[in-house]
Amino acid sequence: QITLKESGPTLVKPTQTLTLTCTLSGVSVTSSGVGVGWIRQPPGKALEWLALIYWDDDKRYNPFLKSRLTITKDTSKNQVVFTMTNMDPVDTATYYCARRIVGSTSFDYWGQGTLVTVSS
Amino acid sequence: EIVLTQSPGTLSLSPGERATLSCRASQSVTREYLAWFQQKPGQAPRLLIFGASSRATGIPDRFSGSGSGTDFTLAISRLEPEDFAVYYCHQYASSPWTFGQGTKVEIK
Repeated sequence: QITLKESGPTLVKPTQTLTLTCTLSGVSVTSSGVGVGWIRQPPGKALEWLALIYWDDDKRYNPFLKSRLTITKDTSKNQVVFTMTNMDPVDTATYYCARRIVGSTSFDYWGQGTLVTVSS
Repeated sequence: EIVLTQSPGTLSLSPGERATLSCRASQSVTREYLAWFQQKPGQAPRLLIFGASSRATGIPDRFSGSGSGTDFTLAISRLEPEDFAVYYCHQYASSPWTFGQGTKVEIK
């Protein structure tokens, strides 16, 4: 059974850096073809793709946010770590990690999401 | 950036009726890298369709996707009570990957 679970702070202050961790179970972050992405959703709004890292360490970022984002893998813990710098109240959202496999498929397994509020 | 515009914003239907949701892209979505997700309140999105027309594992055959280029459609042949939710289209052909703004299917 494949599961993903996000963890990290629920509250960050403006200008701080957000660090979230996605822990995978049932699939390895180093398995050929595996990618793990981060997607966010402000309350009552639509989804926004942020970043993605593949099994071979290929990384993709949303170009509109790229200067603020970093995505890495911790293979020893089977985790993907996501950071976003200079947080602002408009970054308040539920942050999801999700898996996809290289090819025609899309994000097929999702974490439950974690709500991050940016407020002083 | 490929902008995805979904219509209608809200669809009011009764159980048993057919639902047709539209997703129009501002540029051609190559390789039909277009997916549909279902999201219920408080839950993560659930993949329904990928590659424009392929059903994801475990998705009932009342869900079907079609289209190519800039025009895509999700059809639900007969609405079940559990199908009332928000549906998002998503293109993963061109960076940045983008989502539509969603169509809410509500009980009439």
